[in-house]
Amino acid sequence: SQKIEQNSEALNIQEGKTATLTCNYTNYSPAYLQWYRQDPGRGPVFLLLIRENEKEKRKERLKVTFDTTLKQSLFHITASQPADSATYLCALPVSGGYNKLIFGAGTRLAVHP
Amino acid sequence: DAGITQSPRHKVTETGTPVTLRCHQTENHRYMYWYRQDPGHGLRLIHYSYGVKDTDKGEVSDGYSVSRSKTEDFLLTLESATSSQTSVYFCAISEQGAGGANVLTFGAGSRLTVL
Repeated sequence: SQKIEQNSEALNIQEGKTATLTCNYTNYSPAYLQWYRQDPGRGPVFLLLIRENEKEKRKERLKVTFDTTLKQSLFHITASQPADSATYLCALPVSGGYNKLIFGAGTRLAVHP
Repeated sequence: DAGITQSPRHKVTETGTPVTLRCHQTENHRYMYWYRQDPGHGLRLIHYSYGVKDTDKGEVSDGYSVSRSKTEDFLLTLESATSSQTSVYFCAISEQGAGGANVLTFGAGSRLTVL
């Protein structure tokens, strides 16, 4: 069955550094991959989508890569700020059912001043 | 969480009682979803709907039922709540975008505690 893995350990970095989060998946080849941000007590919020034919996508300080050979996506936040502290989730469409998404468990990022 | 409202936001109930969570949207989106979120498991899909009266099961549907009689409302029912259903429940909506990509908008969540 399809599986998504994100590092369950929190990532702690200093303000101004680049944060890199990893999303690995197995057992299928998704047409796209998404990243969401979730703050405590709130629902996830969509950040970026990258398609299988795109190697890289950028939005302001965010950058996502998608390596379909490695079955991996990397999510980068450059010049990180304490306000970037949150849990970041990756999501993939369910095989054969593009209207459904499965989510990784998320990685918590803490940016320290 | 513009356009999507969940109710109740918090509920405490006892084992064996029925519980209904409501998701209401004002976006007229076709697709609606119920997820549950638990520590270590992330978001898991319970049920989803692709139109009025059209629903299907997700990966953790046992013990749950849903109904969608109007485009704007998607109800999640626990017929007889169990302690294992203590969780935070999120409703989401979407409209299929270009190339089949599906971006979800989530509600604020409903925290359910079953004693």
